[in-house]
Amino acid sequence: DAKTTQPPSMDCAEGRAANLPCNHSTISGNEYVYWYRQIHSQGPQYIIHGLKNNETNEMASLIITEDRKSSTLILPHATLRDTAVYYCIVRVDYSSASKIIFGSGTRLSIRP
Amino acid sequence: IAGITQAPTSQILAAGRRMTLRCTQDMRHNAMYWYRQDLGLGLRLIHYSNTAGTTGKGEVPDGYSVSRANTDDFPLTLASAVPSQTSVYFCASSVRLNTEAFFGQGTRLTVV
Repeated sequence: DAKTTQPPSMDCAEGRAANLPCNHSTISGNEYVYWYRQIHSQGPQYIIHGLKNNETNEMASLIITEDRKSSTLILPHATLRDTAVYYCIVRVDYSSASKIIFGSGTRLSIRP
Repeated sequence: IAGITQAPTSQILAAGRRMTLRCTQDMRHNAMYWYRQDLGLGLRLIHYSNTAGTTGKGEVPDGYSVSRANTDDFPLTLASAVPSQTSVYFCASSVRLNTEAFFGQGTRLTVV
């Protein structure tokens, strides 16, 4: 099973880009990288996902290295509301069923 | 648009009692999931369902059971609650396994 490694915490100034790294060195060829975030006491929220190519949506950009062993989530203009725990997840295939398994995440703090 | 709804929002339960946490989604998603979240341990998958009529075990299934009689509902039952089941429980759904998941707002359960 591909596992992910993220720094436990990061901080970023409001208005600046927040770059959150994730290592997934054992990822296999058909596994996607997903990012979720959880704002205090709320349910997790989907942000973005990708396989090989970089992806961008209204919330963030996802940069995946060519060897797919790591990725970076970019919040282009961080606001105080982006303070949350960010989870990097790779798909786990087990007995023909896929499950979303969360790691410990990165606690991102946005400072004014 | 309701999305995914959990009930109750919170509950205090005596040890040994039976309890069912309800989860309903109106998005016609095939896959549904139950997670528990404990301080310092992140989100852990309890049970999941690929589609109506099928269920599977996650990381921490002991002491819990689920059923999936139809597409919309995925109740989680604690047959005989114990204090270690005190946690925040999140239900989630996705169109199919391992696509972006939508989470409910959680049920805070305290077993005393």
